[in-house]
Amino acid sequence: GENVEQHPSTLSVQEGDSAVIKCTYSDSASNYFPWYKQELGKRPQLIIDIRSNVGEKKDQRIAVTLNKTAKHFSLHITETQPEDSAVYFCAASMTRGAQKLVFGQGTRLTINP
Amino acid sequence: GAVVSQHPSWVICKSGTSVKIECRSLDFQATTMFWYRQFPKQSLMLMATSNEGSKATYEQGVEKDKFLINHASLTLSTLTVTSAHPEDSSFYICSATDVGRHLNTEAFFGQGTRLTVV
Repeated sequence: GENVEQHPSTLSVQEGDSAVIKCTYSDSASNYFPWYKQELGKRPQLIIDIRSNVGEKKDQRIAVTLNKTAKHFSLHITETQPEDSAVYFCAASMTRGAQKLVFGQGTRLTINP
Repeated sequence: GAVVSQHPSWVICKSGTSVKIECRSLDFQATTMFWYRQFPKQSLMLMATSNEGSKATYEQGVEKDKFLINHASLTLSTLTVTSAHPEDSSFYICSATDVGRHLNTEAFFGQGTRLTVV
């Protein structure tokens, strides 16, 4: 089955700097790659996603890149703010429609004022 | 976006008892829902796929007789943790997708249920 690896497990950056989180996946059939932000005790919130027919997607300060050949995708957050502090999860899906997600291990991002 | 509601948000039960958790899609129909478990400071691990009108599909290592799943309607799936033990204490989250809109769309999560077995 699909396996998603995420790095780093923790990341600390100064406010205003950029943060990058990387994920690799194993199954070339995966075609949907969302990123979630989760605050303590809360549900995961989708922040951005990308499909296998696109190489890059941007939404204000957040961008995701996908390299299908290498089977890896990355989350980029620019101009980080204290409210960006949370745990971020990447995921991969190889099922059309129903979105059965395989998650990475998570990255705890801390933005230092 | 679509709304998925999970109930209860938290529950404390005694060891050996059973607990039922509900997952409802409030404004769309979900033929398929997913149940995840998340231990503290860990990732979400898929437990099972809940299929409306048929048996659930369990991931490897998940005991189907311990985690009973029922998906009796297009808007409700339930997870029952039977004979709960302290090691079952965890955060349980469901998700669903509004496939009626279009394929490969966003998965919506319930707010999660924190189960503590004492």
